[in-house]
Parts: sequence; structure tokens; C-alpha cells
Amino acid sequence: GAGVSQSPRYKVAKRGQDVALRCDPISGHVSLFWYQQALGQGPEFLTYFQNEAQLDKSGLPSDRFFAERPEGSVSTLKIQRTQQEDSAVYLCASSLGRVTEAFFGQGTRLTVV
Amino acid sequence: DQQVKQNSPSLSVQEGRISILNCDYTNSMFDYFLWYKKYPAEGPTFLISISSIKDKNEDGRFTVFLNKSAKHLSLHIVPSQPGDSAVYFCAASAPGGADGLTFGKGTHLIIQP
Repeated sequence: GAGVSQSPRYKVAKRGQDVALRCDPISGHVSLFWYQQALGQGPEFLTYFQNEAQLDKSGLPSDRFFAERPEGSVSTLKIQRTQQEDSAVYLCASSLGRVTEAFFGQGTRLTVV
Repeated sequence: DQQVKQNSPSLSVQEGRISILNCDYTNSMFDYFLWYKKYPAEGPTFLISISSIKDKNEDGRFTVFLNKSAKHLSLHIVPSQPGDSAVYFCAASAPGGADGLTFGKGTHLIIQP
């Protein structure tokens, strides 16, 4: 497809379970971002990749969160030992560069029960 | 402490009239501002942006105004159409800092027929 694709669209996890969220960016886009959007809030920055290099992970809320983009295209956001406060929509975005407009995927809605 | 603030959670406007969505920011380092539109169950879609060296940018029915001294920007939609009903997010970017965007909480625009 031509847009940013995220999978799964919805994920229900039991507390303590590990989850992996996938993002397929637009082909050729160098920059890839992950955001977390809690209910009623705006998206909050988690981490940024330029190709395969993770240049900024200052937004990751704890060491249970880990992101990778090993070949500079597909990215995976992994959350270990999920907690209820991890419930949110996780958005992935890609762009040609930092200041150009980023294109967002539809997001993965994670519910931790 | 929120660096990007959208103080109106919702706004109702009659079809054909002008919609004005407001955004305030506190970080004077922000140099690029964007507006995103979001429909339910979809990711945010880029709408329009403005660099801090400009005070106005226009694209069709959408115009963004930037007042740097007041740290305020606004999005004008004229004339408003039913398809404009969505949540609008204001976002800002700073050079040299985190490469992600800082978002406001969003304003839900409702266009009344």
C-alpha cells in the first residue's frame, strides 16, 4: 500500500504479557516515529529512527519499552510485562525528513486487562 | 507541563461559516508548526504547516496564522463544510531537540448543517 501500515489494529493483552507492534512505513521514508496516544490526549512522542539508527528514545516511558528498525524500513515496538497504564493507541509515522510533514498510520489500540 | 495547548476541547460552527481553531505554545524554541486532522479510528492526517519565519500560510480553504510574540497560532477554515467535522491537533517541532512533534490535546470541531 501507499500509506503507513500498522498491525495489529487492535490488541488485548493480559497484564504481564509481552506485546509487539509492527509498523511498515512509506517506502523510501528515512524517518520513522512512534507515538503513544492516551484517551482524550494528543499523541506523545516515544522514539525516532533515521534509517536503522535510533536517534532519540527520550519519550519511552520505561525500560519495558523497546523499539527497533534493524534494516531501516519495518519497525517494531515491543512492550514487556504490560501494565494497565500502557493501554493506549500506538501511532507510527514516517517522513522524508524531520521537518517535512509526517504521515501517520491508523494506529494499534492496545488494551491491557 | 504542556508545551502546546489547545484550550477548547470542542467547537461547533455552522456550515458555510468560518471555523477558527486556536493553539498556544510555551517553548520559544519551536520553529515549525503543523495542524493535523483526525477522524475516529484513523491516524492523524497532515493538513497544513508553517515555519516560524512566516506569519501566514494558506492552502485552499485552510489558512494558518502565527503570532510569535504571543506564542499563538490559529487555523482558519472557510467556508466550513460537513466533512471538516473531526478532531484537529496542533503540533510543534524544535530544532536540535527531540525530533518528534509535541502535540496539543486536540479540538473537536463539529460542523452543524
